[in-house]
Amino acid sequence: EVQLVESGGGLIQPGRSLRLSCAASGFTFDDFAMHWVRQAPGKGLEWVSAINYNSGSVDYADSVKGRFTISRDNAKNSLFLQMNSLRVDDTALYFCAKDNFADYRLGGADFWGQGIPVTVS
Amino acid sequence: SYELTQSPSVSVSPGQTASIACSGPYLGDKYISWYQHRAGQSPVLLIYQRDKRPSGVPERFSGALSGNTATLTISGTQPLDDGDYYCQAWDTNSYVFGSGTRLTVL
Repeated sequence: EVQLVESGGGLIQPGRSLRLSCAASGFTFDDFAMHWVRQAPGKGLEWVSAINYNSGSVDYADSVKGRFTISRDNAKNSLFLQMNSLRVDDTALYFCAKDNFADYRLGGADFWGQGIPVTVS
Repeated sequence: SYELTQSPSVSVSPGQTASIACSGPYLGDKYISWYQHRAGQSPVLLIYQRDKRPSGVPERFSGALSGNTATLTISGTQPLDDGDYYCQAWDTNSYVFGSGTRLTVL
């Protein structure tokens, strides 16, 4: 069974940094791309970032480019999101999601974690 | 920046067919995914690459593309289909979600 468990969220002041982690299990982690997606309170889904299976390609939403960094450790089946210079409008529930392809431009996010709240205030 | 447009809401009676549209510039050139997001749950991938269904997704969910409009069709709508539906497409260097459509099964 595929499981994705996010951690590292919480309440943080504007301008500070936070690192989210996502522990993956139940599938061959290094065969698939991974995503971070967020949902601000009362808003829709917003794609944040993606990384391909071997970290050779990463992309970011314009809203986080230059502030957030996605990375993965295939040896530890883990995905990360380093969030710097946090702003009030980064407040959201952050989801870790698995892609159904090695290249995140081709498919969709077929398994999602439960999400971890991040509050910037 | 690239935008995908969805109607804010759609209502349907149980057993009827619901159609949810998503439009955007050059959408006909892109791969499109559809997600269901029910309150308090994690999103679920319903369709990828315009019309492919992941394993485990019921056949009553289908995707199609005509010109620059993608459509998610739910046949034989059930009360548990109530929720928000989002289209998604890759544009240049980022993914974009549509604004979402709230499906109400009356």
